[in-house]
Amino acid sequence: DQQVKQNSPSLSVQEGRISILNCDYTNSMFDYFLWYKKYPAEGPTFLISISSIKDKNEDGRFTVFLNKSAKHLSLHIVPSQPGDSAVYFCAASWGASYDKVIFGPGTSLSVIP
Amino acid sequence: DAGVTQSPTHLIKTRGQQVTLRCSPKSGHDTVSWYQQALGQGPQFIFQYYEEEERQRGNFPDRFSGHQFPNYSSELNVNALLLGDSALYLCASSKRTSLDWEKLFFGSGTQLSVL
Repeated sequence: DQQVKQNSPSLSVQEGRISILNCDYTNSMFDYFLWYKKYPAEGPTFLISISSIKDKNEDGRFTVFLNKSAKHLSLHIVPSQPGDSAVYFCAASWGASYDKVIFGPGTSLSVIP
Repeated sequence: DAGVTQSPTHLIKTRGQQVTLRCSPKSGHDTVSWYQQALGQGPQFIFQYYEEEERQRGNFPDRFSGHQFPNYSSELNVNALLLGDSALYLCASSKRTSLDWEKLFFGSGTQLSVL
């Protein structure tokens, strides 16, 4: 049973435009959400996170939006740059219990110059 | 400051063999989690170690076992290897008492191929 879903395996965006990556979750106990970025031959690196008490968190070009009622979050990258081309993983945890961090299957983003 | 280091980077084994993968966490971190990433999939949680004990476990058989040492480094052992165990094995570290313990730091992984 996949608790974190990313239904778009891939996404292509022109340089300078907005990239929107989506993520859905099924476990209502999740209270902390993260996005990781992974380049080939490297481990995932933390990008941005959001607590369930918020609905938006920004860090430079990256913004994460959380809609708890819909169990949906999205990552916006504005403007997109070729160096953003990578696989993006959505992840979630039940932080209060130091529970495991669960990852989605990932979305491969290609930013075209 | 060294990040998370894993060894070896690549490994080739045959079915039925046993394998040990090693991980040194980022300096200051005390919690180690292991993940399996099959081709085209996201990282799947295997287990988490803290204070030398297994604290959380994912949906993996007992063939997968681990250990954490007093210096916080960790090993992942897989017995009776199957072809389906071929994957990238990722180690991630964090500091449990940190407010943002979920922000895992990953190593580059060990690519295991089972023939």
